[in-house]
Amino acid sequence: NAGVTQTPKFRILKIGQSMTLQCTQDMNHNYMYWYRQDPGMGLKLIYYSVGAGITDKGEVPNGYNVSRSTTEDFPLRLELAAPSQTSVYFCASSSASWGNEQFFGPGTRLTVL
Amino acid sequence: GENVEQHPSTLSVQEGDSAVIKCTYSDSASNYFPWYKQELGKRPQLIIDIRSNVGEKKDQRIAVTLNKTAKHFSLHITETQPEDSAVYFCAARSVGGGADGLTFGKGTHLIIQP
Repeated sequence: NAGVTQTPKFRILKIGQSMTLQCTQDMNHNYMYWYRQDPGMGLKLIYYSVGAGITDKGEVPNGYNVSRSTTEDFPLRLELAAPSQTSVYFCASSSASWGNEQFFGPGTRLTVL
Repeated sequence: GENVEQHPSTLSVQEGDSAVIKCTYSDSASNYFPWYKQELGKRPQLIIDIRSNVGEKKDQRIAVTLNKTAKHFSLHITETQPEDSAVYFCAARSVGGGADGLTFGKGTHLIIQP
């Protein structure tokens, strides 16, 4: 099993550009999450999904969109990138919500200039 | 929503000594408290977790304690080794309230001095 994979690993965007961060898991997990981690800070939840076709907002959803058409994939879309979105983005998955380990992907380091 | 405070932000201990990291949470309905270790440039990885119906859990050199009344939980690492150097994050998951992910503390940078 590859676990949780993310692409790209690094990306530089110009202000106003758009991009999609890809996330795939091969563990047949129903729950998937997107977090952002700013320097010296903990992770903040952007969006999460409890299964295919179901998504919901987390703590910091503004400026982002997600979709969940399959169990395996949970892409994160940035529209009109802003410098405040410079961060490291982690995707995670778990087999259930309460009391189950979240497995993290390797992260995508995004810089918006 | 849930708020998690973590202290200290940096902790330096001599190799072989013990390290303790403390977290407090605000939502009394929170019921799951994991601890993650993150090495520089790597992804967070779960090292231990505890559920609200348990007061203490131990796994070799690592232990976590939970005080539901005071709404705080702590990570204890004994006989620290150089490979324990990393950033440690506590987290809490509350029941209901909409967001179904974890709320993380800001992290503790643990430095093991040789």
